[in-house]
Amino acid sequence: DTGVSQDPRHKITKRGQNVTFRCDPISEHNRLYWYRQTLGQGPEFLTYFQNEAQLEKSRLLSDRFSAERPKGSFSTLEIQRTEQGDSAMYLCASSLVSGEETQYFGPGTRLLVL
Amino acid sequence: DAKTTQPNSMESNEEEPVHLPCNHSTISGTDYIHWYRQLPSQGPEYVIHGLTSNVNNRMASLAIAEDRKSSTLILHRATLRDAAVYYCILRDWGQAGTALIFGKGTTLSVSS
Repeated sequence: DTGVSQDPRHKITKRGQNVTFRCDPISEHNRLYWYRQTLGQGPEFLTYFQNEAQLEKSRLLSDRFSAERPKGSFSTLEIQRTEQGDSAMYLCASSLVSGEETQYFGPGTRLLVL
Repeated sequence: DAKTTQPNSMESNEEEPVHLPCNHSTISGTDYIHWYRQLPSQGPEYVIHGLTSNVNNRMASLAIAEDRKSSTLILHRATLRDAAVYYCILRDWGQAGTALIFGKGTTLSVSS
């Protein structure tokens, strides 16, 4: 079990640029979640996949954000035309379909938009 | 998901027990009580969960009040590595596949 991995761990970009983050879930986990966390706050839900299907999106996920999970394995989160307000930690979690559904989180990608 | 209320912060000394409280007065009969913690600069990690009975695992114990309107996460011997933000989250077992709703949690400081 190698755990959930995320890449990159840190990203600094200039306002207006596009960025893409990758998440590799625990193998055989069919659910994958993206969360965003700003300083001093708990993580907030962005979107979730079951296998390759994106089943739920938060209102936080503006049209500048897009997420994919091709083939139901790794996932990418892209932010277009970044804004300073996008600066945050982006967390990925995966889980197995079950009644209890413990979520396993990656280390996160810290984004700073200048 | 129903709301939970936790103290903003707590302090402990190393090797002493820590009791982290959580109030959830509007809990429903199908809500599980989950605890996650987040160490500095890391993603959250699962600690423990329960429904009605007290639960123990290698990390902690969870004591659930008889009316289920409150619960307490117990760390039996705090270590410096236990310094983290602890989140108490209610999760309806019938809503598998939905997000965890985090509050601000309790920031636990551990002194040597």
